[in-house]
Amino acid sequence: NAGVTQTPKFRVLKTGQSMTLLCAQDMNHEYMYWYRQDPGMGLRLIHYSVGEGTTAKGEVPDGYNVSRLKKQNFLLGLESAAPSQTSVYFCASSDPAATGISPLHFGNGTRLTVT
Amino acid sequence: AQTVTQSQPEMSVQEAETVTLSCTYDTSESDYYLFWYKQPPSRQMILVIRQEAYKQQNATENRFSVNFQKAAKSFSLKISDSQLGDAAMYFCAYRPHSNYQLIWGAGTKLIIKP
Repeated sequence: NAGVTQTPKFRVLKTGQSMTLLCAQDMNHEYMYWYRQDPGMGLRLIHYSVGEGTTAKGEVPDGYNVSRLKKQNFLLGLESAAPSQTSVYFCASSDPAATGISPLHFGNGTRLTVT
Repeated sequence: AQTVTQSQPEMSVQEAETVTLSCTYDTSESDYYLFWYKQPPSRQMILVIRQEAYKQQNATENRFSVNFQKAAKSFSLKISDSQLGDAAMYFCAYRPHSNYQLIWGAGTKLIIKP
């Protein structure tokens, strides 16, 4: 059981380039999230999705777009990368149908460097 | 605004001893959930322990336990019999019952001395 899989694991971009990060989960979870993690800070929510075909903005959405065309996949796009987007990006999923506390399940992260 | 504060950027403990990591949060909600996640150098985020605010009993998971003080809005993590594999960043997180967005603390780096 793979859980949450992120690709790629590492990426280096030049300012102005674009890229897409892919997140795939095999747990049939409804909710999916994209976070960024910067040194000295907790995780910050970029965008999230509560189901196939739906997306919503989180705390720091500017400069990013997302799509959830299939339930198991959640894509994060950077149209024109900036050095401020250098970070580690985490995808996570959760199951709101589960009773109780429903913790997040995380991928292993993508380290993105924008030069 | 809801916030989570981890006041200890770094803690160190001797192997086999006990260490407590602090976490405080600010909320006006009465029903919520609290979590501790561990992030070892491998970067993977691993759930350590969780607590539902309506439960008075403190959660425990093997060597990990919490001291949940709802009135004080405090949620500390105690690690007993510390092991080298416990070395990691530890993040406290809060989620209100009304939605699924977590609010995270900045993390505490735990160093285990052999």
